[in-house]
Amino acid sequence: GAGVSQSPRYKVAKRGQDVALRCDPISGHVSLFWYQQALGQGPEFLTYFQNEAQLDKSGLPSDRFFAERPEGSVSTLKIQRTQQEDSAVYLCASSLARGAVPLQFFGPGTRLTVL
Amino acid sequence: AQSVTQLGSHVSVSEGALVLLRCNYSSSVPPYLFWYVQYPNQGLQLLLKYTSAATLVKGINGFEAEFKKSETSFHLTKPSAHMSDAAEYFCAVSYSGGSNYKLTFGKGTLLTVNP
Repeated sequence: GAGVSQSPRYKVAKRGQDVALRCDPISGHVSLFWYQQALGQGPEFLTYFQNEAQLDKSGLPSDRFFAERPEGSVSTLKIQRTQQEDSAVYLCASSLARGAVPLQFFGPGTRLTVL
Repeated sequence: AQSVTQLGSHVSVSEGALVLLRCNYSSSVPPYLFWYVQYPNQGLQLLLKYTSAATLVKGINGFEAEFKKSETSFHLTKPSAHMSDAAEYFCAVSYSGGSNYKLTFGKGTLLTVNP
């Protein structure tokens, strides 16, 4: 496709369930980012991949959060034992390799609601 | 460490009036600065970027922003508001100090345009 796609667009989980959120970046984009956007807040950085390597996971809020990008394309963000505070929109962004200001292109996000 | 402050969580203007959304940043190294717009239930769309070239940056939809190093500001303006400009606007900062161009966002400003 022409842009970044994410699925599902909406996810409702019961507290304690595991969820997996998928991101399909723009073809050829080396870098991939995940952000978490709580209600009424700006997005906050979670983790960064360059190809299949996870180079920065400093923003992951707890060890219940795990991200992977095994083949350097599609990425999955997994949240184990979901809690109510995990309710947010999860945004994925991709960009070309490092160069003159690699711009990040965002997907529509996955809205996670934990009951 | 980087940070972004957006003054005013909600700005309301009349159609045809000047739009001014304020953004101040803090960065220990020369920053890259961005403005993104977010429409309901959509991802972030880039409006414009500052990358150390011209200090007055023109973006899409008639928006522009001026980088003022002495004031550490990057305010967004548009001479004449249109109803379609109603959305949430986020200022963000990044820098080229490493291989990770992660974005640090402000909390956002919701712009409403009154007829």
